[in-house]
Amino acid sequence: KAGVTQTPRYLIKTRGQQVTLSCSPISGHRSVSWYQQTPGQGLQFLFEYFSETQRNKGNFPGRFSGRQFSNSRSEMNVSTLELGDSALYLCASSLGDGTNTIYFGEGSWLTVV
Amino acid sequence: QKEVEQDPGPLSVPEGAIVSLNCTYSNSAFQYFMWYRQYSRKGPELLMYTYSSGNKEDGRFTAQVDKSSKYISLFIRDSQPSDSATYLCAMSGSGGSNYKLTFGKGTLLTVNP
Repeated sequence: KAGVTQTPRYLIKTRGQQVTLSCSPISGHRSVSWYQQTPGQGLQFLFEYFSETQRNKGNFPGRFSGRQFSNSRSEMNVSTLELGDSALYLCASSLGDGTNTIYFGEGSWLTVV
Repeated sequence: QKEVEQDPGPLSVPEGAIVSLNCTYSNSAFQYFMWYRQYSRKGPELLMYTYSSGNKEDGRFTAQVDKSSKYISLFIRDSQPSDSATYLCAMSGSGGSNYKLTFGKGTLLTVNP
């Protein structure tokens, strides 16, 4: 059974640009969450989607947005990139039925220069 | 006060030792408690998942939750060099927020052959 798949794995962007990251959850999983991991702040929750609806949101500015498609695949977008957005962005999936077994992908490494 | 506190270490032990990792938390609403293992430049891997208080054992790993003290632990028996990684505790509430994980900063563990 395939795990959580994230693309691209590595990318470099310039300050002011925007970026879109993609996530394919484990087959059958309907909940997809996104996290930002930095050395200083650790892992921080961005948002969670279930059945194409944002169900939970973290404390990040509006430049961070996401969406989920009918096949449960998800994308997150960061607009007007800042140097501080350099981080590992992790996608996680779960059945979303109340069980809390949440599985992470390998992440997308974003460097903003 | 941070919601979840975790000693960052680093922790260095000889092969075969028993390792004890701990987190404390302040949010009484947390009901689900998890431990993840993260190797360098990889995504977090779910090790243990516990609901509410009590103990759970899986092979060499034992997770304990003491909600009265707001304290959770992970014990690793017969530690191996392959256990060298960063260990992250994570927790969440129930109902609609059970997919919003709050993480500790992680403890870096090295098991020396």
